[in-house]
Amino acid sequence: DSGVTQTPKHLITATGQRVTLRCSPRSGDLSVYWYQQSLDQGLQFLIQYYNGEERAKGNILERFSAQQFPDLHSELNLSSLELGDSALYFCASSIQPGQGTDTQYFGPGTRLTVL
Amino acid sequence: TQLLEQSPQFLSIQEGENLTVYCNSSSVFSSLQWYRQEPGEGPVLLVTVVTGGEVKKLKRLTFQFGDARKDSSLHITAAQPGDTGLYLCAGGTSGSRLTFGEGTQLTVNP
Repeated sequence: DSGVTQTPKHLITATGQRVTLRCSPRSGDLSVYWYQQSLDQGLQFLIQYYNGEERAKGNILERFSAQQFPDLHSELNLSSLELGDSALYFCASSIQPGQGTDTQYFGPGTRLTVL
Repeated sequence: TQLLEQSPQFLSIQEGENLTVYCNSSSVFSSLQWYRQEPGEGPVLLVTVVTGGEVKKLKRLTFQFGDARKDSSLHITAAQPGDTGLYLCAGGTSGSRLTFGEGTQLTVNP
């Protein structure tokens, strides 16, 4: 158990809909990262938050947005869903960028299926 | 853009054999992580190496960080079916996001 929690574990929805994925980082970690992993593809970095502020952006679509709240949990919002958005979405956390070793600890993921 | 190349991409071996997975880049990293991922689950951290030339052992797994901190290897001795999974390397550069390799899918047959 990495200490990172994600809910829900599975999500099935229809095209055009909007969903919210939730992540709670490890106790003491200030930074949260979101990744997308499609079938037979590697981990694609989406976005990073540090202590409530956006820190880095990767290949995140405009239909997707995220935020980190004062209690440090984070939410990833996916809207106008398309079939191609079906994937595993992972959250990871680390202590603090630039401190230590950049090691990230991953949650168990949310499997999103868009029908 | 930093890239990490892993090889081989796929590896299927018999129980008891040894294997090595490589992770190479033209970029220097401040740290290198190795993860193992099983289908439908999140990557699980195996090790972090931070010093050029560093060698870490975790039971039958040996991890090495290259002297120039551009490459790393994972060696498994006497592989077992429980070692089956996707092995991912990821390079860190002090404060920025990790750069992930594409992974090595290892299958150990009984």
